[in-house]
Amino acid sequence: QVQLQESGPRLVKPSETLTLTCIVSGGSISSDYWTWIRQSPGKGLEWIGYLHDSGTTNFNPSLKSRVTISMDTSKKQFSLKLTSVTAADTAVYYCARLNVVIESGAMNWFDPWGQGILVTVSS
Amino acid sequence: DIQMTQSPSSLSASVGDRVTITCRASQNISTYLNWYQQKPGKAPKLLIYGASTLQSGVPSRFSGGGSGTYFTLTIRSLQLEDFATYYCQQSYNILMYTFGQGTKLGIK
Repeated sequence: QVQLQESGPRLVKPSETLTLTCIVSGGSISSDYWTWIRQSPGKGLEWIGYLHDSGTTNFNPSLKSRVTISMDTSKKQFSLKLTSVTAADTAVYYCARLNVVIESGAMNWFDPWGQGILVTVSS
Repeated sequence: DIQMTQSPSSLSASVGDRVTITCRASQNISTYLNWYQQKPGKAPKLLIYGASTLQSGVPSRFSGGGSGTYFTLTIRSLQLEDFATYYCQQSYNILMYTFGQGTKLGIK
C-alpha cells in the first residue's frame, strides 16, 4: 500500500524559497500523477499543482508563477518549490497521489495523502 | 474557477443519527465529485469518489449521491469516529481543482 511522507524546513523567512519533498513508499512512483495541496485557516484546502512522470505538469493559476514541482524517480520522491514566500503561504502542506481512471471517463481523486507538514513563513 | 459551496458549515448530531451534508457546484460537474473526511491534526481521507462510489475500506453507512450541481453525503447511524470535518472536491476541471469550505460535524 502506497504511503507518502513530507519533509522539509518548518520555518521559512519571507521572500525566500520553500522547498518540500515527498517520499513515496510501498509502490511505484512511475506512471502516476503526484500532487501538492495546502491547508491554511484562512483559505481552507487549496490545490497547488500536479506532476506526471511523463513530464506533464499543471498548476493553480494563482500560484503558477512561483511554483515548481519536480520528480526523482530513482529516489521515489517528488518535490515542491515555492518562491518569494510571504506570511500568506503559511500552511500545512500535503502531498498526495492523483488517481485517474481513464476507463470511467477520467474520474480522478486524491488518495492517499501524506500526513502533512506545517510550514510557517516568518522572520 | 468552479466554486464549491457546502452546507451547513457546521452541525451537531448524536450517535445513531442520520445526517446529510450538501455540496453545490457553481456549474455542471456531472459526477466528478469527491468527498473527504478530516480529523484534527490528520490529513484528509478519501471517502467517496465519482459522487457515489465508496472507497475501499470505508464503512457502508456512508453514501454519496447527486450529479450536475447538487450533491449529498449521508451518514446513516452516526458512530463516535464519524465526528470530523467533511470536504467536497470537484475533479471536473483538472486545470483547477477546488474544494468546499468544509462541514464540521460535532457531537450534540
